[in-house]
Amino acid sequence: KNEVEQSPQNLTAQEGEFITINCSYSVGISALHWLQQHPGGGIVSLFMLSSGKKKHGRLIATINIQEKHSSLHITASHPRDSAVYICAVRSPQGSQGNLIFGKGTKLSVKP
Amino acid sequence: DAGVTQSPTHLIKTRGQQVTLRCSPKSGHDTVSWYQQALGQGPQFIFQYYEEEERQRGNFPDRFSGHQFPNYSSELNVNALLLGDSALYLCASSLRAVNEKLFFGSGTQLSVL
Repeated sequence: KNEVEQSPQNLTAQEGEFITINCSYSVGISALHWLQQHPGGGIVSLFMLSSGKKKHGRLIATINIQEKHSSLHITASHPRDSAVYICAVRSPQGSQGNLIFGKGTKLSVKP
Repeated sequence: DAGVTQSPTHLIKTRGQQVTLRCSPKSGHDTVSWYQQALGQGPQFIFQYYEEEERQRGNFPDRFSGHQFPNYSSELNVNALLLGDSALYLCASSLRAVNEKLFFGSGTQLSVL
């Protein structure tokens, strides 16, 4: 079993829909990252959080440390949100870049 | 302000050869981490460099080695290439003293034939 599990693996939505991507992890962590990867490979860091909730524009990330679960929400989705979304965790012993990654959720938003 | 830059963008090698990939961190960053991403998978941590030394390492064989220069740029070297080394290699930079998000480069796509 992978230490970081994401669901769903693939997600297709209509423009304007509310989207939720889930991440569960089985190890202790000091931080959790949500990343966005577009075709071609480049990765953009969306959020880094260790508790509670963060919001940036139409994106919201939440984490429940007790349940070892995080969610990424996208409100009013748009075709430009189409990308792979990756959850990654940092162990308490790990340094900033020493992350364990999920396999990603491929999101496709149709106009 | 340049972000993280990686070179080359694409590379084709044959089995047994050696390869060097390069990464320049975001201005002001002193720490570089390297990752391997196989097709359809999430990235895997290879190692991290800070103050010109390897500080942490993932589960990769000694064929994978690296270097960091005084200007904080970094190289990833892979010896005795295997077909299974074909992947996207990503680097990310950060400032060690500040616990903030990482900045990633666009990656080097390595194909081993």
